[in-house]
Amino acid sequence: GAGVSQSPSNKVTEKGKDVELRCDPISGHTALYWYRQSLGQGLEFLIYFQGNSAPDKSGLPSDRFSAERTGGSVSTLTIQRTQQEDSAVYLCASSFRVGQPQHFGDGTRLSIL
Amino acid sequence: GIQVEQSPPDLILQEGANSTLRCNFSDSVNNLQWFHQNPWGQLINLFYIPSGTKQNGRLSATTVATERYSLLYISSSQTTDSGVYFCAVESQGGSEKLVFGKGTKLTVNP
Repeated sequence: GAGVSQSPSNKVTEKGKDVELRCDPISGHTALYWYRQSLGQGLEFLIYFQGNSAPDKSGLPSDRFSAERTGGSVSTLTIQRTQQEDSAVYLCASSFRVGQPQHFGDGTRLSIL
Repeated sequence: GIQVEQSPPDLILQEGANSTLRCNFSDSVNNLQWFHQNPWGQLINLFYIPSGTKQNGRLSATTVATERYSLLYISSSQTTDSGVYFCAVESQGGSEKLVFGKGTKLTVNP
């Protein structure tokens, strides 16, 4: 597509539920990144993919967080057993390849009640 | 890991004024990018500038990699320039991920 597309744009769920966030990168971009931004804060790196592999998962906050990318395109970030501290905006970015300019989607605003 | 410090944290300008935002980093970098996050939360890539100088309209950026800093210049500021400006770097020899500074919040008043 023309830009990075994320869905849903907003998600409200109850504590303890699982959520899936989706990112569709710019067509032809091989690198894909997930970040988290809490209210009024900077961006916290979570994970990145080069193709379908994730060389660096060090930013995932806990084992409740996981991500996958299939077909070198769409990625899904899954949070299991959500907690209130998971409330944040989850941002996805893509680039032609790792180390190149990153372009961001509009994010998914996640609220855990 | 690499540290990224941005200054000033907050900046208020009158429309038409010029400004300089600074980004200091603690280690050698492969990659440095400047982003603007508008008041609606959208992040726009302004510059990919691991070294040297680039200009795009009223904005320009300079990175002096040997001295570990980058500057973003905004000339003739407009109200639409308001938002948060982030500097992000990728450390040499480290993981291929961007580490973001805490940002400079710019408010341009009419």
